[in-house]
Amino acid sequence: GAVVSQHPSWVICKSGTSVKIECRSLDFQATTMFWYRQFPKQSLMLMATSNEGSKATYEQGVEKDKFLINHASLTLSTLTVTSAHPEDSSFYICSARGGGSGYTFGSGTRLTVV
Amino acid sequence: DAKTTQPTSMDCAEGRAANLPCNHSTISGNEYVYWYRQIHSQGPQYIIHGLKNNETNEMASLIITEDRKSSTLILPHATLRDTAVYYCIVRVSNFGNEKLTFGTGTRLTIIP
Repeated sequence: GAVVSQHPSWVICKSGTSVKIECRSLDFQATTMFWYRQFPKQSLMLMATSNEGSKATYEQGVEKDKFLINHASLTLSTLTVTSAHPEDSSFYICSARGGGSGYTFGSGTRLTVV
Repeated sequence: DAKTTQPTSMDCAEGRAANLPCNHSTISGNEYVYWYRQIHSQGPQYIIHGLKNNETNEMASLIITEDRKSSTLILPHATLRDTAVYYCIVRVSNFGNEKLTFGTGTRLTIIP
């Protein structure tokens, strides 16, 4: 079946630094990928839609200059959290459109900013 | 966007069928109903999806009412590993930007 690999699975960084999260579709091409954020005991919140070769579309209230998205190939999208602060600590999840079900999710990245 | 309403939580005895309801009364004619589940600290897992007809796969069955305003996910023989948060999602289709928007979901607990 379709597999989406997300890396790293967890990361701890210092406040003010930047962190990059990778999302790869392993056995299919994904022209569209999605990035979500999930706080404890809450649902997934869509942050942005990433389209290969073009600019990402951000949801209302999501700062595009803080959450940089790059989708340079059909199998890779990256999310960079710039100048991270403790309030950015969250569970970040990517999803790729493609594969059998239409939408395949990665296993998530737990970001802790200290 | 079509919104969904689900019970906050449900319990089900192990080995019994788990029936999870979802209301989506504002669904449009070309919008699909998707079901995903999320086990703690993992990414969501696809279960099933449908448009009008009932669907069945190796994991579950999806029953959609004739007016499409509600649906029920059925796990025929629940096991402890089915304990998770279950999300009913109506797929938004807007100028080709077909994103999945998650609601609050139902926390299903399978009781031994």
